Amino acid sequence: GDSVTQMEGPVTLSEEAFLTINCTYTATGYPSLFWYVQYPGEGLQLLLKATKADDKGSNKGFEATYRKETTSFHLEKGSVQVSDSAVYFCAPSNRDDKIIFGKGTRLHILP
Amino acid sequence: NAGVTQTPKFRVLKTGQSMTLLCAQDMNHEYMYWYRQDPGMGLRLIHYSVGEGTTAKGEVPDGYNVSRLKKQNFLLGLESAAPSQTSVYFCASSYSKRRGSLTGANVLTFGAGSRLTVL
Repeated sequence: GDSVTQMEGPVTLSEEAFLTINCTYTATGYPSLFWYVQYPGEGLQLLLKATKADDKGSNKGFEATYRKETTSFHLEKGSVQVSDSAVYFCAPSNRDDKIIFGKGTRLHILP
Repeated sequence: NAGVTQTPKFRVLKTGQSMTLLCAQDMNHEYMYWYRQDPGMGLRLIHYSVGEGTTAKGEVPDGYNVSRLKKQNFLLGLESAAPSQTSVYFCASSYSKRRGSLTGANVLTFGAGSRLTVL
């Protein structure tokens, strides 16, 4: 079945550091790819998405590129802020409408 | 615009008791989902619905039942609660593929969560 693997957390960085959170997936068909973010005490919210190969999703300084050849959708940000501290979830989504999430990567940003 | 509203936000049950979590959305979304979130396990899909009167099993459906009698509501029931069902439950909804992105599923809108403790 479909699955997603994210790098294990927690990830701890200093403010203004470069961030990469790896995500690889297995899915039938040609899935859309999503990153969701969960701030403390809240539900998840969409961070960015990409719907076809080589598409780059971006939002709030975060970027991720749909790499079909490596089935990856790594999340990057050039300079993180304390307010980016949250849990990040990678989620591929195929045509049968079941959306499967990764285990999440907790990010701590130190001032 | 309320979005997705879950009730109750907190609940403590004893083993064997029953309860229902209610999810309501006011965005006219066709699809609705119930997930549970546990430490180290991420989000796991319990059941979902692609329209009024329809439901389907997700990854971890055992011990739960659902109903979608009205388009705006998706109920999650625990008939006989067990300590293993202690978790944070999230409801989400989205438009169907026909009204959203051309490939794959669409953007989920989540509720704030319901924390359930089973003693």
